[in-house]
Amino acid sequence: GAVVSQHPSRVICKSGTSVKIECRSLDFQATTMFWYRQFPKQSLMLMATSNEGSKATYEQGVEKDKFLINHASLTLSTLTVTSAHPEDSSFYICSAREYSGAGYGYTFGSGTRLTVV
Amino acid sequence: AQKITQTQPGMFVQEKEAVTLDCTYDTSDPSYGLFWYKQPSSGEMIFLIYQGSYDQQNATEGRYSLNFQKARKSANLVISASQLGDSAMYFCAMREALNNAGNMLTFGGGTRLMVKP
Repeated sequence: GAVVSQHPSRVICKSGTSVKIECRSLDFQATTMFWYRQFPKQSLMLMATSNEGSKATYEQGVEKDKFLINHASLTLSTLTVTSAHPEDSSFYICSAREYSGAGYGYTFGSGTRLTVV
Repeated sequence: AQKITQTQPGMFVQEKEAVTLDCTYDTSDPSYGLFWYKQPSSGEMIFLIYQGSYDQQNATEGRYSLNFQKARKSANLVISASQLGDSAMYFCAMREALNNAGNMLTFGGGTRLMVKP
């Protein structure tokens, strides 16, 4: 089945630094990827929709200058948390959308636990 | 209004028994899809089962079945013969066809299932 590889799985960074999270579709081309943020014991909150070769579409309230998304190829989307602060500590998870004869399917990466100290 | 509602924040089930996790949804779109995902403590999102709005029969996948009641707008997940490894968060999600240019998923708040030995 479809596999999405997300790295790193865990990262600790100092306040003020930037962190890049990568999401790769390994055996299919993903023209669209989604980035979510999840706080402990809460649901997934969509941050942005990433489309290959175009600008990401951010959800209301998400700072596009802080959460930079790049989707330069059909298999790779990256999320960069710039000038990270402790309040950015969270679980970030990506999802790639693929279309088959049965319709749309959504495969998730394994997530990245970000801790900003 | 919430598009996806999961009214059970937490549930216990005895090992080997069946359990039903509730999910109700709200949409005026005649074409939509409903998904269930399992999220163990490690964080990855595991796809369990899918039901299309036009599907005539309830979806089944191994020990998972979906009790789809379209008129009531409910899509409950039934897990038969619970196993200890079923302990996890479970999320119901919906994809609407209209007014959803990105074909994104909307998630419910989740239900934490705990299987007792």
